[in-house]
Amino acid sequence: GQNIDQPTEMTATEGAIVQINCTYQTSGFNGLFWYQQHAGEAPTFLSYNVLDGLEEKGRFSSFLSRSKGYSYLLLKELQMKDSASYLCAVSPLGGNTPLVFGKGTRLSVIA
Amino acid sequence: DVKVTQSSRYLVKRTGEKVFLECVQDMDHENMFWYRQDPGLGLRLIYFSYDVKMKEKGDIPEGYSVSREKKERFSLILESASTNQTSMYLCASKSGLLTDTQYFGPGTRLTVL
Repeated sequence: GQNIDQPTEMTATEGAIVQINCTYQTSGFNGLFWYQQHAGEAPTFLSYNVLDGLEEKGRFSSFLSRSKGYSYLLLKELQMKDSASYLCAVSPLGGNTPLVFGKGTRLSVIA
Repeated sequence: DVKVTQSSRYLVKRTGEKVFLECVQDMDHENMFWYRQDPGLGLRLIYFSYDVKMKEKGDIPEGYSVSREKKERFSLILESASTNQTSMYLCASKSGLLTDTQYFGPGTRLTVL
């Protein structure tokens, strides 16, 4: 079966650090994606992890542990514009197989 | 830059009407997808296509059909629209590479009255 879990909502303060967790159980694994989606807009790609460890991209980092079926997205120096939904998605098997998406975590950044 | 376009941002239709949602991508991607997104339910896959004239059912295909006559275009058809099909519809495309992301269109907010 395919199952991806992430928290529904989180709130954090401007300038702080927030970690959004994602756990997954899928039949096959070829990598994990994180997307950002602002209200009323399409998801946009943030990061991709296929090997264990941390990938850093500016204020955003993504971590993967394949043995634990676990990933997190780390956002540093939070800005108001980071208020959005963050979607975790797993690529199960093959380049032509659809991604399996979590339901998303809605992050609110407050002053 | 990859571009995925959808025919309308907002659409209002009446119950029983036939509705066509068009999606076009300009990156020669093999794979194209149609999702609907509803509050609390996340993205749900309706249909996808991995080649011209090929289609596969996703998680919620009932009430929908698709057409892919050309590689760059993937159409979603609601044969007889119903109020429970009011939703945000998102199209996406992807190459066949394992490491490639899906690229999403801007979405169509469909309201069925």
